[in-house]
Amino acid sequence: DTEVTQTPKHLVMGMTNKKSLKCEQHMGHRAMYWYKQKAKKPPELMFVYSYEKLSINESVPSRFSPECPNSSLLNLHLHALQPEDSALYLCASSQISGHYNQPQHFGDGTRLSIL
Amino acid sequence: SQQGEEDPQALSIQEGENATMNCSYKTSINNLQWYRQNSGRGLVHLILIRSNEREKHSGRLRVTLDTSKKSSSLLITASRAADTASYFCATDADNTGGFKTIFGAGTRLFVKA
Repeated sequence: DTEVTQTPKHLVMGMTNKKSLKCEQHMGHRAMYWYKQKAKKPPELMFVYSYEKLSINESVPSRFSPECPNSSLLNLHLHALQPEDSALYLCASSQISGHYNQPQHFGDGTRLSIL
Repeated sequence: SQQGEEDPQALSIQEGENATMNCSYKTSINNLQWYRQNSGRGLVHLILIRSNEREKHSGRLRVTLDTSKKSSSLLITASRAADTASYFCATDADNTGGFKTIFGAGTRLFVKA
């Protein structure tokens, strides 16, 4: 079992739908991340929240809208997605320590398919 | 472009053999990490090596780091079928307060029983 929980595990949606991905951790981590991963490719960073504030947005299209309601929860709101957005979406969390990257704990992801 | 590049892209070995994967990166780093990803699952952190360290061990894992060559290697000794997975190196990319981690392309390891 992973310590980072993502729901749903699978999501199929049309291009006009609005849906949300959810991520939860109770390790007391104050940094949380969203990644997008295509098949046989490495994860690509999308967003980083630190202390519940958006720290990094890797020029992600506005049809992806992140939200961090509290230190344990991270959401990714989806609207008007394109077929090329079909991928595995991974959430991760980590401690914050100085200026150095810390080990990240990943959830098992949401596999998203856009029809 | 990716910070880390790995080779080989795929590796197939017999159970009990050792597996070596290499990672090269382009810019200076504070630390380098290795992660494993089983099919359909999230990534699992394996080991972190700091830029002032040359070698680190964790169980059957041995990681080396050569900052002069901007390269790292991951050795898995006495491999098991359960080691079958994709392995990624990951580096910090720039001065973003330690949040931006860039993953290499990964090595897909297949261990035959």
